[in-house]
Amino acid sequence: GQNIDQPTEMTATEGAIVQINCTYQTSGFNGLFWYQQHAGEAPTFLSYNVLDGLEEKGRFSSFLSRSKGYSYLLLKELQMKDSASYLCAVMDSNYQLIWGAGTKLIIKP
Amino acid sequence: GAVVSQHPSRVICKSGTSVKIECRSLDFQATTMFWYRQFPKQSLMLMATSNEGSKATYEQGVEKDKFLINHASLTLSTLTVTSAHPEDSSFYICSASEGNRGGETQYFGPGTRLLVL
Repeated sequence: GQNIDQPTEMTATEGAIVQINCTYQTSGFNGLFWYQQHAGEAPTFLSYNVLDGLEEKGRFSSFLSRSKGYSYLLLKELQMKDSASYLCAVMDSNYQLIWGAGTKLIIKP
Repeated sequence: GAVVSQHPSRVICKSGTSVKIECRSLDFQATTMFWYRQFPKQSLMLMATSNEGSKATYEQGVEKDKFLINHASLTLSTLTVTSAHPEDSSFYICSASEGNRGGETQYFGPGTRLLVL
């Protein structure tokens, strides 16, 4: 079967750095997406990785290792507004998005 | 760019009535649109995928006669929940992508919160 694993919840301190991991097992791979979803709102696109390596975009970076079926989202200089759920999604060989359950990130002052 | 709107944002209806939700891509042509449902504290569940001008492809377990999807143009898709029941109460979210090849990013609408009494 196909599955995406990510931690259910993480807590971090304002101003710090946090890394949210995602491991996947899918039938084929056509890219990995990270989305941010605030409570009661729809997801917003953060990043897309299809090649191995690190993609940096401001305070957020996303890393992919296809051989390990692994990705992480790195958030630096955490702000209170970063409190949200972070969804990892993998596009499989049929170009269908397989969604993880999301990681709820709690930022404390 | 890549803005998707959804209307209405919130709807309350009586059991047995039908509700139509609109999803529009405002600044790009959406070859493919997706409809998701999300229950509280759960992940997104894909209901169906639709390509402009063709019938939607429904996920297993989603009743196509209950959830009618129309993707009549490259900027508009509608989801109609027919004969809604309380168990249909959920957060319905559409997303749109420009292509139907691999790797296109999905951009999400703001979602529609449906409450069936």
